[in-house]
Amino acid sequence: AQSVTQPDIHITVSEGASLELRCNYSYGATPYLFWYVQSPGQGLQLLLKYFSGDTLVQGIKGFEAEFKRSQSSFNLRKPSVHWSDAAEYFCAVGGGGSYIPTFGRGTSLIVHP
Amino acid sequence: DADVTQTPRNRITKTGKRIMLECSQTKGHDRMYWYRQDPGLGLRLIYYSFDVKDINKGEISDGYSVSRQAQAKFSLSLESAIPNQTALYFCATSDAHITEQYFGPGTRLTVT
Repeated sequence: AQSVTQPDIHITVSEGASLELRCNYSYGATPYLFWYVQSPGQGLQLLLKYFSGDTLVQGIKGFEAEFKRSQSSFNLRKPSVHWSDAAEYFCAVGGGGSYIPTFGRGTSLIVHP
Repeated sequence: DADVTQTPRNRITKTGKRIMLECSQTKGHDRMYWYRQDPGLGLRLIYYSFDVKDINKGEISDGYSVSRQAQAKFSLSLESAIPNQTALYFCATSDAHITEQYFGPGTRLTVT
């Protein structure tokens, strides 16, 4: 069965600092991987996705993520965080015929001025 | 206009009442999903539908039912609401060939 672990429930960073949110997955084949962001009071929005090819993927809002098969990880990064990045971030894994992703429990990002 | 809409956005109801949450989409996607979000638990799948005639239970379907009235409409019902169904509910859609999902803005449901 597929699963996703986001080890950090909360992450606090200062504005302008770099950010890395961790995601580890379990999946029996090549996974489809996603990062979504949920701003307060809103639904989830796709930041980026990995299906195949280049293991470093670029997303919206200056985010990127790197797929590391050997570590079963798909960590999200941003070189300089803005106050507007404060939100909940979800990693998801899915693939195969069902295409139903499994979501992690989320990481809440707090940005200090 | 939003691609995925949910009504109502907020609802307070009493234990034992029947309630329906509605979802409509203009993306033309075949696949639709209902999730609930609880603090610290992430998103959990309630039901999903790959087309109008195909409806499947998710991991937490007990106490819920759904109806797929058309390609664009997918409703979630709580036949007899209970307090532990208080949560944020999301509808999502996806294309069969593009596996990312598109989410509605959510319905905050409170059962007293």
